[in-house]
Amino acid sequence: AQSVTQLGSHVSVSEGALVLLRCNYSSSVPPYLFWYVQYPNQGLQLLLKYTTGATLVKGINGFEAEFKKSETSFHLTKPSAHMSDAAEYFCAVIPYSGAGSYQLTFGKGTKLSVIP
Amino acid sequence: KAGVTQTPRYLIKTRGQQVTLSCSPISGHRSVSWYQQTPGQGLQFLFEYFSETQRNKGNFPGRFSGRQFSNSRSEMNVSTLELGDSALYLCASSQRADTSTDTQYFGPGTRLTVL
Repeated sequence: AQSVTQLGSHVSVSEGALVLLRCNYSSSVPPYLFWYVQYPNQGLQLLLKYTTGATLVKGINGFEAEFKKSETSFHLTKPSAHMSDAAEYFCAVIPYSGAGSYQLTFGKGTKLSVIP
Repeated sequence: KAGVTQTPRYLIKTRGQQVTLSCSPISGHRSVSWYQQTPGQGLQFLFEYFSETQRNKGNFPGRFSGRQFSNSRSEMNVSTLELGDSALYLCASSQRADTSTDTQYFGPGTRLTVL
């Protein structure tokens, strides 16, 4: 079964500093990969996704992630943190399947705090 | 275009009762998935409906059920509520035009508290 590991349940960065949120997946076949963000008392919003093609994926709000097959990783980065980035971030996968599984498997989440 | 809507937003029930949650997908979206979010277990997939048929089901007991109507609106039902059912229930919709790579758009969730 697919699993997703997010290293660090809580990450703190200073405003203007680099944001790096780590995600590793377990699969012998690269899955489809997603990053979602959740603000307090809200649902999930898609930041970016990797399906095929270019391994560096750009998303909304200045975030990007790089798919590294050799490291089974899909880490999320942003060059300069903003106070509005404070939220919880979830990495998720859908196994590559011709049957079209729609079941997202999520990591435990990483809560990002931005210090002024 | 209006987003995914879920009603009610907050719900308080007592053990043993049953509850029905509603989800209206984005117009034109035919797939609706349900997820449960708890502090301990995180986000877990419940089930997915497409064209009124359940396509995928997660590892939850039979007390959790759902259905989808011809207009793609979906409901999920939890019978004989337990304290552990307290959670945020999230609904997500997608066009399902290209199976797994479609983006799933999430609603704000229904916060269920079981006393």
